[in-house]
Amino acid sequence: QKEVEQDPGPLSVPEGAIVSLNCTYSNSAFQYFMWYRQYSRKGPELLMYTYSSGNKEDGRFTAQVDKSSKYISLFIRDSQPSDSATYLCAMSVGGSYIPTFGRGTSLIVHP
Amino acid sequence: DTGVSQDPRHKITKRGQNVTFRCDPISEHNRLYWYRQTLGQGPEFLTYFQNEAQLEKSRLLSDRFSAERPKGSFSTLEIQRTEQGDSAMYLCASSTPPGTLNTGELFFGEGSRLTVL
Repeated sequence: QKEVEQDPGPLSVPEGAIVSLNCTYSNSAFQYFMWYRQYSRKGPELLMYTYSSGNKEDGRFTAQVDKSSKYISLFIRDSQPSDSATYLCAMSVGGSYIPTFGRGTSLIVHP
Repeated sequence: DTGVSQDPRHKITKRGQNVTFRCDPISEHNRLYWYRQTLGQGPEFLTYFQNEAQLEKSRLLSDRFSAERPKGSFSTLEIQRTEQGDSAMYLCASSTPPGTLNTGELFFGEGSRLTVL
């Protein structure tokens, strides 16, 4: 079993839909939780960063962390075709801060 | 350009040959990371440097792989005696250490794609 599990999709939604992306993890030492977005043939870029449990909102994006369930989510409101990309969850322990990534979920938002 | 720069972007080589990739981090970043990404998978950690010191290596980094960051600036990743299983995207990232005012966010380059025939 991998430390971080993520459904690879693809997830196909119409423009304007609310998108829910999720990851589960097994290492209870993870304290820092991130979502990266990766366009085709590009490097990942950080979207959201959360420390410990709770919610964080940034524009159309909301990240949720439930440490008791070892489950994190990313919600995208009013999805746009430009949101079409692979979304990678990542998490790290304190001290090293080296992210461990999920395999990514491919999102397709069609007009 | 102030982003992370990687060279070459694409390398095709025959099995058994040696290859070297170079990464130039963002200038004020003292941490540098190497990850490997295969199709349909997320990036897998290989190694990281703080300044010129290599502080951690993954068990994925076999003895055919060696990374250096001689002056704490650019880094090289060399793969000796390449195998077909080495075909992947090699990603470099840099960051400042996390602190109270920053998350230690990793800034990635666009990667160096290796194809071993």
